[in-house]
Amino acid sequence: AQRVTQPEKLLSVFKGAPVELKCNYSYSGSPELFWYVQYSRQRLQLLLRHISRESIKGFTADLNKGETSFHLKKPFAQEEDSAMYYCASLRGSSNTGKLIFGQGTTLQVKP
Amino acid sequence: EAGVTQSPTHLIKTRGQQATLRCSPISGHTSVYWYQQALGLGLQFLLWYDEGEERNRGNFPPRFSGRQFPNYSSELNVNALELEDSALYLCASSLRGDDEQFFGPGTRLTVL
Repeated sequence: AQRVTQPEKLLSVFKGAPVELKCNYSYSGSPELFWYVQYSRQRLQLLLRHISRESIKGFTADLNKGETSFHLKKPFAQEEDSAMYYCASLRGSSNTGKLIFGQGTTLQVKP
Repeated sequence: EAGVTQSPTHLIKTRGQQATLRCSPISGHTSVYWYQQALGLGLQFLLWYDEGEERNRGNFPPRFSGRQFPNYSSELNVNALELEDSALYLCASSLRGDDEQFFGPGTRLTVL
């Protein structure tokens, strides 16, 4: 079965420290991977997707097919980065329209 | 540009009743998706509608159903409500079926 795993429920770092939110996937075919973020009292919003190779708000994520990972990284965390982060995959071998989400990781950035 | 909108914000029902949730996609988007975010279960895919047709459904019983109207808005119906249906229901839309999905604020359904 297709699955997205975020092993950490909570990640707590100090402001200015590097951040790495882990995401692993299990698929056959070519998945399209995303990171979504949900700030307090706001809707779920797209942070970045692997095909665009963009850096948004200082975050980057590289698809590693060998390790089936799509970890989210930021070199220097800011307090405003505190939020819930979800890794998601759109498709494996066929387009199902179905985003498969990981369980989410709460990032807490302490001052 | 207006985002995805959902109504109502909150809905309280009793067990056995029916609930109807509504979603308006971003203008120009033809695909609408429904997800359930229940406590402890994460975000689970429910349904995908595109061009008025149901394209895919998740692992939910048939009492979860919906439709998409000619203006691409959508409705999710949950019949014979059970306590475990209490959750946040999120709607999303996309330009095409394989494009990034934009989410609405959700409808909080509480079943008493």
